[in-house]
Amino acid sequence: EVLLVESGGGVVRPGTSLRLTCATAGFTFEDFALSWVRQVPGKGLEWVSGINWNGGRTGYSDSVKGRFTVSRGNAQRSVYLQMNSLRAEDTALYYCARGLGGSEFSFDSWGQGTLVTVPS
Amino acid sequence: QSALTQPPSASGSPGQSVTISCTGTSSDVGGYNYVSWYQQHPGKAPKLIIYEVNKRPSGVPGRFSGSKSGNTASLTVSGLQAEDEADYYCNSYAGNNNCVFGIGTKVTVL
Repeated sequence: EVLLVESGGGVVRPGTSLRLTCATAGFTFEDFALSWVRQVPGKGLEWVSGINWNGGRTGYSDSVKGRFTVSRGNAQRSVYLQMNSLRAEDTALYYCARGLGGSEFSFDSWGQGTLVTVPS
Repeated sequence: QSALTQPPSASGSPGQSVTISCTGTSSDVGGYNYVSWYQQHPGKAPKLIIYEVNKRPSGVPGRFSGSKSGNTASLTVSGLQAEDEADYYCNSYAGNNNCVFGIGTKVTVL
């Protein structure tokens, strides 16, 4: 069974940093791209960042570019999202999602999310 | 990176069909055959139901189908069932290692 488990969320002050971790199991980790997708409770999905199978290619949405950094540790079977200079508008549930083998931005497995709250 | 346009709501009676549109630009939907659709029930993580415009993952019923014409993709749910009541999102590859989601459509089964 494919498992994705996010952790690291919490309540933080604006301007501070947070690091999210997505721990995985049940599949060959180094074969798959992974992304972070966030959702403000009651609102829609927003793709935040993604990283390919070996970490050689990353992408970011305009809303987080320059503030967030995605990375992965294949030995740890984990993907990370370093979030700096946090803003109130970053408040959301952050999901980790696995990309399909031949279609990296089709997400076939999702975690349950970790909540990040940045009070204004 | 503007969100893809979806109607906010759609509805149909059990057994009927409903079609949801997802409109982007030539830089995303129109430029690539990498459009996916997701179903999300309240309090749950999204579930992939269509990828690469019209392919269904294993286990997804055949009454879910996808298509694309120009800058607009569509999801059709045939033979609506009560459990199809959910939020539906499209997403598309948008080049340069980016992707974009639609704003979401709430489907109500009357």
